[in-house]
Parts: sequence; C-alpha cells; structure tokens
Amino acid sequence: DGGITQSPKYLFRKEGQNVTLSCEQNLNHDAMYWYRQDPGQGLRLIYYSQIVNDFQKGDIAEGYSVSREKKESFPLTVTSAQKNPTAFYLCASSIPQVRGNQPQHFGDGTRLSIL
Amino acid sequence: ILNVEQSPQSLHVQEGDSTNFTCSFPSSNFYALHWYRWETAKSPEALFVMTLNGDEKKKGRISATLNTKEGYSYLYIKGSQPEDSATYLCAFGGGGSQGNLIFGKGTKLSVKP
Repeated sequence: DGGITQSPKYLFRKEGQNVTLSCEQNLNHDAMYWYRQDPGQGLRLIYYSQIVNDFQKGDIAEGYSVSREKKESFPLTVTSAQKNPTAFYLCASSIPQVRGNQPQHFGDGTRLSIL
Repeated sequence: ILNVEQSPQSLHVQEGDSTNFTCSFPSSNFYALHWYRWETAKSPEALFVMTLNGDEKKKGRISATLNTKEGYSYLYIKGSQPEDSATYLCAFGGGGSQGNLIFGKGTKLSVKP
C-alpha cells in the first residue's frame, strides 16, 4: 500500500539535544511538507520541498532543519535552538503544486515531548 | 497575516442528524480551498479540493460548496453516522509560495449513536 510513514510515533528530547524525525513516502510525490500542531491551533508549515535537493522555509522554520537527498525521504531535525519543541509533527506529500491546488497526503504524525 | 476561521469549534449531534460547518478565508488571492477529515489516531485524509467560485463537490453523504467572492466554504454531512466523528480541517491555498496551505483550527464533530 502506498503511503507516508513517520517514525517514531513518540519521541522524547532532553534539553540541549537535537532529534530527528523521519518521514518516508512511496507515493512517488515530488513535494513534501512538515507541519507542527499545537493545542488549539491549526497546522503550521515548518519547511517544504518541491523537488529533491531543494527546500524552502515555511512560516515557523526557526530552530528546525531539513534535508531532501532522496525523493522518498524528508527528515526533520529539531535543534536545541527550538525553545518550545513539544508538539505534534505531521509530514505530508503531494504531486507538484500550482498555488495549492493538489491534495496533500499525510502521515500518522510524531509526538515530541521534552524530558 | 492570512487567517482561516472555522466554526463551530466543536459540534455534538445525534446519529441521523444532518449538519454543516463553515470555513472563512481571505477573498483576495484565492487559488484553492481544501477540506480534510482527521479521525483520532489516524492521519488527515483529503475530502475535497475546490478551485472555482460556485464549485460544489460531493462524496457520499458529504458535500461542500465554495464562495470565493465572499470568502467562505460550507461542508455538509447528511444523516450523520458515528463513523463521521472526526475533526474537519479546511485549508486555504493562495497568496503564499507554491503549495503553501493556511489551515484553520478545525471543527470537531461527535456523532452519538
């Protein structure tokens, strides 16, 4: 079955530690996205990538980094510079967008908590 | 700052009731309006993507309408069933970089048997 796999489902981070969230898709989609959800808020875009080896900052990129070395994979690193990393993180993918006209396919998410 | 508002925040209905929710979005620089269904412990699932003023889409008992001139979309569920219980998200596409969507906070629907 085609889809998006996020791992791990739950992740705990110590103060000052970087952690990496995995996102893999086998839908052959060019575009991939990372969102963050906080209680009572809508999904907010962290980073997105329209093609391999290229990515752009979203609305809340500070304290995060990404890479896109393979079409299938778009890992997100939450760095120690992100002061409030506790949140639910969703990865998504789509075929190439023209001004947001394509549906996005989502993974099941990773819940990150601070120890 | 672009803002997408959804109302109500939550809704409790009985099985068999019909219901509707609203998504309000900026009426300028419109390109697309998305609806997603997000069941607990699952991933959000795309319901509709609408791009033209006056668009109406239907999927089983769920339908959606779009008014880009006044900046709103309605989602209707006819004869709600317990399996319709979920959070319904709308997302506005327009004005930003390619592919960026602005999401509302969602409407949480609970359908009692």
